[in-house]
Amino acid sequence: DTEVTQTPKHLVMGMTNKKSLKCEQHMGHRAMYWYKQKAKKPPELMFVYSYEKLSINESVPSRFSPECPNSSLLNLHLHALQPEDSALYLCASSQVGGAQETQYFGPGTRLLVL
Amino acid sequence: SQQGEEDPQALSIQEGENATMNCSYKTSINNLQWYRQNSGRGLVHLILIRSNEREKHSGRLRVTLDTSKKSSSLLITASRAADTASYFCATSSGGSNYKLTFGKGTLLTVNP
Repeated sequence: DTEVTQTPKHLVMGMTNKKSLKCEQHMGHRAMYWYKQKAKKPPELMFVYSYEKLSINESVPSRFSPECPNSSLLNLHLHALQPEDSALYLCASSQVGGAQETQYFGPGTRLLVL
Repeated sequence: SQQGEEDPQALSIQEGENATMNCSYKTSINNLQWYRQNSGRGLVHLILIRSNEREKHSGRLRVTLDTSKKSSSLLITASRAADTASYFCATSSGGSNYKLTFGKGTLLTVNP
């Protein structure tokens, strides 16, 4: 299984809502990532988890809260978002160690904040 | 900051023609990768070239790397309509390969 799955595919939320994005992989990868991508722009790294521990936080606002419950799952909890947070949120995974460079991406969750 | 800068920003060709996209970067790298993204979907890894390699092939793809000029090119030969997508270069540098820095991307349109 070489697939990274993300749910939901689309999400519309108000600025006072709390929602969560979910990501799952069964490739045995021990590194998982969240990226944010605005329209016609490249992906921007938000968080990296390695062995279920947060290893990189790219100064992301606290209204985004990542969680890695186990080696296969990655969540992104959303609270009090702003309209400018509307974007495609991509999850990715990779091996750790010598072959960690190649990242496998999920299809993304398209988020609209009203 | 954006490490990679692709050009052209957009490229439109006919099916069967070759497409060449270029990427420039600013700092020393561990490796450079190319990814493809179909409209509004996830990215698909195409090819990785390490800093000590100069050329790599994979099917209809040919990637070159010139570390002296800090640039790379991606050639797609005999293009197909299904190759229509955005193409991004991504670099990793320093002590960690976790952090990929993506270029702005080239939107390739292959007309049937």
